[in-house]
Amino acid sequence: DTAVSQTPKYLVTQMGNDKSIKCEQNLGHDTMYWYKQDSKKFLKIMFSYNNKELIINETVPNRFSPKSPDKAHLNLHINSLELGDSAVYFCASSQVGVGGNTIYFGEGSWLTVV
Amino acid sequence: DAKTTQPTSMDCAEGRAANLPCNHSTISGNEYVYWYRQIHSQGPQYIIHGLKNNETNEMASLIITEDRKSSTLILPHATLRDTAVYYCIVRGHNAGNMLTFGGGTRLMVKP
Repeated sequence: DTAVSQTPKYLVTQMGNDKSIKCEQNLGHDTMYWYKQDSKKFLKIMFSYNNKELIINETVPNRFSPKSPDKAHLNLHINSLELGDSAVYFCASSQVGVGGNTIYFGEGSWLTVV
Repeated sequence: DAKTTQPTSMDCAEGRAANLPCNHSTISGNEYVYWYRQIHSQGPQYIIHGLKNNETNEMASLIITEDRKSSTLILPHATLRDTAVYYCIVRGHNAGNMLTFGGGTRLMVKP
């Protein structure tokens, strides 16, 4: 079973469109994240949610709106897509506990805006 | 979170040990050292983490110096499938402490 799963894996869309990427984790974690990896391969945090509450927003344009309907899901909705939004988006989750706070990642969603 | 410094790239012969160094001279007392890797076209994969003691698991060993200012990730018998970018990250363990990725070390395992 995939611990952190994202859909779709690949998405090609036109500029100006609105699209969503869904993320689900079955690890029972209470913190979820979205990371973006651009063409230069740098991984950058976008958002972090803890128990459905936003705790980190790294100055991401407000065209990006994360939504967490419950602890197991953190979806990313993007309005008015731009060419520069083309990237790989990774969802992740973690749980603070005795053993630490290891973050586990999904396999990524490849977004191409044309 | 403290910053880390890693070599940009390294080569290793298949079957030999791969030793990946990391400097984190500004690490604070409550920050852990984490190692992740990213194989081409895949999500980052957790490898190991430690606070001050050396750690070993089925994937690798982590050696942390006594002053905690540097560490080494050891892959004891590197295989071609270990070719990846390896990231050394220091972070605390609160819910708000996310992983901040640097450039990592591109490890190329050669036959």
